[in-house]
Amino acid sequence: DAGITQSPRHKVTETGTPVTLRCHQTENHRYMYWYRQDPGHGLRLIHYSYGVKDTDKGEVSDGYSVSRSKTEDFLLTLESATSSQTSVYFCAISESPANGYTFGSGTRLTVV
Amino acid sequence: GDSVTQMEGPVTLSEEAFLTINCTYTATGYPSLFWYVQYPGEGLQLLLKATKADDKGSNKGFEATYRKETTSFHLEKGSVQVSDSAVYFCALTSGGGADGLTFGKGTHLIIQP
Repeated sequence: DAGITQSPRHKVTETGTPVTLRCHQTENHRYMYWYRQDPGHGLRLIHYSYGVKDTDKGEVSDGYSVSRSKTEDFLLTLESATSSQTSVYFCAISESPANGYTFGSGTRLTVV
Repeated sequence: GDSVTQMEGPVTLSEEAFLTINCTYTATGYPSLFWYVQYPGEGLQLLLKATKADDKGSNKGFEATYRKETTSFHLEKGSVQVSDSAVYFCALTSGGGADGLTFGKGTHLIIQP
């Protein structure tokens, strides 16, 4: 989607290694979110941010950490990847959450 | 907590058929309601939304009406096309929405020529 970029698009990593996914926006939106998508579960919220250095946990935050040192970047870190974290990860941004979010194209992460 | 329930499918229809995908919700207060669509290999796109009771959201021939009395937001389209094949997600946000959208599990729609 225009204005929001996720990197990398695909990654294969080994169990126990650290992994960082990046979400970059050019819209200057205040709110940013990380979701994971898994078959049979839909999308589940991992962490979110409501401003620089302001973050909070979502439904499935165990094993994940986030950082937002500037408005445009929201990083998701898996400190020690596990096979259960194999998933597709989506970033979303919003300026007015009650009116909806804009999603990135996703990162497919495989932990072997 | 908030929750969204929708049929998972797959739902298979012939081109030009009438489409209904049911969505019901549980939420505190007065949520905003959304339908998102995901085409293969892509992210989610906002299809339509409604922010208060009796509002009708519409886009690309799709419609959904916010029914507070039945806590529902069913998606409809009068005549589907092959290009409508995708996964459709019903979602809600309450309390202003800053703390995230709650999604249903998604409905896989397949339209056959």
